[in-house]
Amino acid sequence: NAGVTQTPKFQVLKTGQSMTLQCAQDMNHNSMYWYRQDPGMGLRLIYYSASEGTTDKGEVPNGYNVSRLNKREFSLRLESAAPSQTSVYFCASSDRGVAKNIQYFGAGTRLSVL
Amino acid sequence: EDKVVQSPLSLVVHEGDTVTLNCSYEVTNFRSLLWYKQEKKAPTFLFMLTSSGIEKKSGRLSSILDKKELFSILNITATQTGDSAVYLCAEETSGSRLTFGEGTQLTVNP
Repeated sequence: NAGVTQTPKFQVLKTGQSMTLQCAQDMNHNSMYWYRQDPGMGLRLIYYSASEGTTDKGEVPNGYNVSRLNKREFSLRLESAAPSQTSVYFCASSDRGVAKNIQYFGAGTRLSVL
Repeated sequence: EDKVVQSPLSLVVHEGDTVTLNCSYEVTNFRSLLWYKQEKKAPTFLFMLTSSGIEKKSGRLSSILDKKELFSILNITATQTGDSAVYLCAEETSGSRLTFGEGTQLTVNP
């Protein structure tokens, strides 16, 4: 069972470079999320997509953009990377049916911005 | 934004000990409280609690919610080294969003 798949697993960028983090889920979930995790700060929501065609800002959206490409895929883009964006990024998905918004997470992308 | 506070932030125990992890939350638009276990990578789901006073149990792990006092606890009995992980608590509020606490780093020594 693949679940939630994130690529790449690791990335090193120079300040000012851009990149896109990819996320795909095969559970037919409606909602998808992007989080960042920093030491001592838990998981913080960057953007989320409640359903295909919609996206909303979370707690820390500045410096990021997202695209809900279709029901399966939700990408996160850093247009001009900054050292403050060094973090571990997690994608998650959930279905609001019987499972009542239990979120399932990908393995994460470890990003370093130099 | 609702705030979720976990305590302790770090805990070191010996195999066989029983541990209690705490999570307090704020109440705006509360829908449920969730517990996750995070080892090296992705957080994995443990429990979701919506009703006060009803214990959820899975093997040696159990959790309960107190909606009046706005807290939840996660108990682990007869701990094993494989229980070593970060345990995350999250409050579900409106819009299907989760607000996470900082997590409790549990280390179980042999």
